[in-house]
Amino acid sequence: QLQLQESGSGLVKPSQTLSVTCTVSGGSINTGGYSWTWIRQPPGKGLEWIGYIYHSGTTSYNPSLKRRLNISIDRSKNQFSLRLSSVTAADTAVYFCAREVATGLGYWGQGTLVTVSS
Amino acid sequence: DIQMTQSPSSLSASVGDRVTITCRASQSISRYLNWYQQKPGEAPKFLIYATSSLQSGVPSRFSGSGSGTDFTLTISSLQPEDFATYYCQQTYSTPYSFGQGTKLEIK
Repeated sequence: QLQLQESGSGLVKPSQTLSVTCTVSGGSINTGGYSWTWIRQPPGKGLEWIGYIYHSGTTSYNPSLKRRLNISIDRSKNQFSLRLSSVTAADTAVYFCAREVATGLGYWGQGTLVTVSS
Repeated sequence: DIQMTQSPSSLSASVGDRVTITCRASQSISRYLNWYQQKPGEAPKFLIYATSSLQSGVPSRFSGSGSGTDFTLTISSLQPEDFATYYCQQTYSTPYSFGQGTKLEIK
């Protein structure tokens, strides 16, 4: 059974860079045809699609975050990662990683809370 | 970007009720519409893809319909475990936006 597990910065100061990694187990990140996706959810609010990466390295980013965002993949570690620069309090959220199934997101990590505060 | 709007934002219902949640897209998304269920403190659970196809293991009391811009999620007979927040998501074009959510509460 495929499992995803996020690990993140936890607490980040404003203007610094937020970093979250998703470790995949029970399957290979090199399996073709699936997007590996980041989603976030501010406390008490709805879901926001951040972007995805394929095993090939092809990415798609939410335009609202594109200027500050980088999603990368490490095939040797079976991980993919998110880096978001110049963070503000508005970036405080639970960050989820997920994998595509059919045309949706069928596998999810449990999420990791990243708080932006001085 | 495509905007997704759900209605209602919240809904009170009783066990056994039939419930319908609506999701409207700001432009046609064909049938590229997914539904998720989220309970407090948990990751969303994938329910329905491509408008009406049930993900494996999802009870048959859940169903979806629609096309173009208007979609619905129906729960035919509410069970206690169905009280949660439901989100629609379009995967027609990036960014793959979500609706704002519909919170289904016990009456």
